[in-house]
Amino acid sequence: GAGVSQSPSNKVTEKGKDVELRCDPISGHTALYWYRQSLGQGLEFLIYFQGNSAPDKSGLPSDRFSAERTGGSVSTLTIQRTQQEDSAVYLCASSLDRNSYNEQFFGPGTRLTVL
Amino acid sequence: TQLLEQSPQFLSIQEGENLTVYCNSSSVFSSLQWYRQEPGEGPVLLVTVVTGGEVKKLKRLTFQFGDARKDSSLHITAAQPGDTGLYLCAGARTGTASKLTFGTGTRLQVTL
Repeated sequence: GAGVSQSPSNKVTEKGKDVELRCDPISGHTALYWYRQSLGQGLEFLIYFQGNSAPDKSGLPSDRFSAERTGGSVSTLTIQRTQQEDSAVYLCASSLDRNSYNEQFFGPGTRLTVL
Repeated sequence: TQLLEQSPQFLSIQEGENLTVYCNSSSVFSSLQWYRQEPGEGPVLLVTVVTGGEVKKLKRLTFQFGDARKDSSLHITAAQPGDTGLYLCAGARTGTASKLTFGTGTRLQVTL
């Protein structure tokens, strides 16, 4: 079956521009997560969606970052007025049920480079 | 504040050697997962441990959850080049099972 997909796979942008990153979760997965990974290090939690509940935005680093999830499926992470420190790999993951052990399935990531 | 510290940070070994990776915290976790990530890909789940003292084996990989559920270890026997990658532990804290806290990562390279 299809896994989590993300697009674009690579994005190069100039400082100050806005970018949108897309995530298509596994069909039927109710939970969706965004993480940021710098230089092959550990993952930094950004935001979490579960069904129709209000998203957990506690990991967003600034108000330049926002995300939405339409129809309980596709999600878009938007970074406004990008800065060089935003350069990283942005990973999306989905999971079946928040009451499970929360085993997450990850997409391949979007590598963002801000010049 | 990094809640999960992994050690070592980097490990380069030869094929056939054994190794252990540690994941430590001062916090209690309701469950802990181990993932492996290869270059250009997202992390892939290897195992979930949920009971203090639990030991799980996956072929040459042995995972252990500490008795107090604050730490975990991953032991690889007779490492192979295919084991190369970034190993990440991730814990779900009691009461916040919806959010995982990821460790700092251990980068393993196995050479012939």
